[in-house]
Amino acid sequence: GAGVSQSPRYKVAKRGQDVALRCDPISGHVSLFWYQQALGQGPEFLTYFQNEAQLDKSGLPSDRFFAERPEGSVSTLKIQRTQQEDSAVYLCASSLTRDRDEKLFFGSGTQLSVL
Amino acid sequence: DAKTTQPTSMDCAEGRAANLPCNHSTISGNEYVYWYRQIHSQGPQYIIHGLKNNETNEMASLIITEDRKSSTLILPHATLRDTAVYYCIVRVFGNEKLTFGTGTRLTIIP
Repeated sequence: GAGVSQSPRYKVAKRGQDVALRCDPISGHVSLFWYQQALGQGPEFLTYFQNEAQLDKSGLPSDRFFAERPEGSVSTLKIQRTQQEDSAVYLCASSLTRDRDEKLFFGSGTQLSVL
Repeated sequence: DAKTTQPTSMDCAEGRAANLPCNHSTISGNEYVYWYRQIHSQGPQYIIHGLKNNETNEMASLIITEDRKSSTLILPHATLRDTAVYYCIVRVFGNEKLTFGTGTRLTIIP
């Protein structure tokens, strides 16, 4: 595909359940980002990968959040023991290089609802 | 990080130019100004970016003041599909991530 693909598009989880959100970046893109967007707010940075290396995870809200990109392409964001406050849209973005003037391409996100 | 200030919301008549202001008075000399927009239920979409000079592409124009403390995004002929939240972002040197604020909700009126 031409763009960033995220799956599932919607996820409903019971409180305490583990969830895994998938991101397929644009082929060949080196950098990959995860963002969390609460209702009515702008996206908040979670973590950043350059190829398979996780260079910045300063935005992960707790140790229940874990992200990986083992082969430098597809990435998975895992949330363990989900809580109601985890309900949000989770956005993935990729960019071709890590240059500071490189633009990011975003997926449509996964909307997570924790009941 | 250099912070940005944008109006919460704006309206613009269809077919007119939409001018969206942004203040970034603490911007550093090597920080870029980026604009993204987010249409309902979609991820943010890149519009344009600049450092010092004014920039234009097929989507919009970016006017940056000489002191770089503010900028204006111009959509020359707004259509209903331009209704979205517009984010003005300053990208910190050496920091790959974008830091979003709450943006300006632009509504195009038929």
